Order: sequence, then structure tokens, then C-alpha cells
Amino acid sequence: DAGVTQSPTHLIKTRGQQVTLRCSPKSGHDTVSWYQQALGQGPQFIFQYYEEEERQRGNFPDRFSGHQFPNYSSELNVNALLLGDSALYLCASSLGGARYNEQFFGPGTRLTVL
Amino acid sequence: QKEVEQDPGPLSVPEGAIVSLNCTYSNSAFQYFMWYRQYSRKGPELLMYTYSSGNKEDGRFTAQVDKSSKYISLFIRDSQPSDSATYLCAMIREGGKLIFGQGTELSVKP
Repeated sequence: DAGVTQSPTHLIKTRGQQVTLRCSPKSGHDTVSWYQQALGQGPQFIFQYYEEEERQRGNFPDRFSGHQFPNYSSELNVNALLLGDSALYLCASSLGGARYNEQFFGPGTRLTVL
Repeated sequence: QKEVEQDPGPLSVPEGAIVSLNCTYSNSAFQYFMWYRQYSRKGPELLMYTYSSGNKEDGRFTAQVDKSSKYISLFIRDSQPSDSATYLCAMIREGGKLIFGQGTELSVKP
């Protein structure tokens, strides 16, 4: 049973560029959440997708947007990259409804903005 | 003030020691309390979660929640070098938004 997968593993971009990160949830999971983890910090919630809709959003600017596809996979898009966007981007999947507490994380995508 | 406070350490213990990791929180609406383990350059791995005050045990790990004090703990018995990692506490309200502590870096020396 494949767990949560993310691609790419690493990415280097320059300021002002745009980036798209991808996530495939654990088999049987229908909810995807995205988190940003800066070096030495705990992950911070960006947003959550369920049934192809953004269900919750954290305190992140509109430059951060996402999408969920009918197969439950998800994308995170970041526009107009800033140096401060350099971080590990984590995707977590879970079951909707009452099982939201069991969130399983992927290995993350390490984004470096130069 | 952060919703969840966690001492970042680092914490260094000898192999076989009992490790105590702690977090405090301010929001009484939190329903579930989780502990994640994160190895260097990896994603967080869910260790345990609890719903109410009390203890929950899983092998060498015991999670403790005291809602009246807004304090949670993770105890690791007979610690091993393979336990060396960053331990993240996390809490959740209804809906699935996880709020994490900063993480405590643990090193278990052989």
C-alpha cells in the first residue's frame, strides 16, 4: 500500500517565478492538506481540500493556491516567489468526516528560492 | 502568544534513559492531541494520538494529556539511538487543521 507521495523532491527557483508541487494521497484517503515547514519550525497549515473544494485555509496570502483532482490528488501553486517561501512543503492525507485526526504525511518537497 | 508551545531543545540523553517531551497549549477547543516523529529530511510520522485527558500507551511510548492544565507529554522508555529525531506535538480542532509545536530535537547517545 503506497503511502503519500510528493513530487518533485527538490526544486530551485528564483524570486518572482511560479512553482507547482504535486501530491498523491494514501490509498483510500479523500482529503489532502498542505503545510509549510521552515527550517527549525513546526509545519504551518496552508489549506485543505476535500471533494475538490478548498475546505479550510490558514494564514497564507493569495499567492498560494491549490487544486484537487477527481482522483483526490492535489497540487499546490505558489506565484511570485519570495525568498521567504523557501521551505519544506508537506502534503498530508486523511479520510474526510470523522477521521480527520489521522493525517499521514508525505516526504515533502524542498523548495529553495534564490 | 503561540497556540502551542514546545521547547525546541536540543535534548541529549544516554541510551536506555527515559525521555520526557512536553507541550503546552492555550486553546481549550482542541480535541485531539498528536505526537509526530520527524527524521532529518523526511516527513513527519504519526506516533500516537489521544482524544481526552489521560494516558495512552504503545510499546515504549506513553502519551499523556492533562486538559485542565493544557499540558501534554510524551514519554519514551528505554530510549534507543534510533529514537534520535525531532518530535512534534500537534493539536487539532474539528475540521482537520493541525496546529504544531516547534518540535524538540532529541539525540540518544549509545
